[in-house]
Amino acid sequence: QQPVQSPQAVILREGEDAVINCSSSKALYSVHWYRQKHGEAPVFLMILLKGGEQKGHEKISASFNEKKQQSSLYLTASQLSYSGTYFCGTELDDYKLSFGAGTTVTVRA
Amino acid sequence: DAGVIQSPRHEVTEMGQEVTLRCKPISGHDYLFWYRQTMMRGLELLIYFNNNVPIDDSGMPEDRFSAKMPNASFSTLKIQPSEPRDSAVYFCASRLNAEAFFGQGTRLTVV
Repeated sequence: QQPVQSPQAVILREGEDAVINCSSSKALYSVHWYRQKHGEAPVFLMILLKGGEQKGHEKISASFNEKKQQSSLYLTASQLSYSGTYFCGTELDDYKLSFGAGTTVTVRA
Repeated sequence: DAGVIQSPRHEVTEMGQEVTLRCKPISGHDYLFWYRQTMMRGLELLIYFNNNVPIDDSGMPEDRFSAKMPNASFSTLKIQPSEPRDSAVYFCASRLNAEAFFGQGTRLTVV
């Protein structure tokens, strides 16, 4: 079952912040975040395991609330290079990695 | 390592024809995934393998779709017969630990 992401799209100016949310109806083992640039393959950003870890990649960080089966990706002081589609991937205990519909982020100068 | 290699990069075929997409995973990776990407549904998991064995094919849309992994270095996704609604970008990804590495995808257009 695919996780649910929100919002579907967000437009930012350089330097602004944004939050992307991901939720699942099932108990999760881990949450993955990937970013896809237009015409390219998705690229791994980070993984969060059970335990509420908060990890970071550049000025992009994420949290995982395992009680609520929710994860949030935080884009801080956004840069032009942050533009792309962000996918949340969820995993139960079976290595089955399922992705949501994605959130398109556009950062403008 | 050259990464995950998919072929062809682009495929245009007529409705009713058989289409075969190919994937070479990264050497040593024991998990292989096939995804389909569309605007409406994002990245849909079709099937995944562990050590060449199919684990879950519940995402395969219909009997027209089939996937095989005859050895650790090769997998195919076949659509027979193809239909216009199969038009999408198909990604293969392989994984050993946390990170899944995606190929560049095959853009399939069925006319």
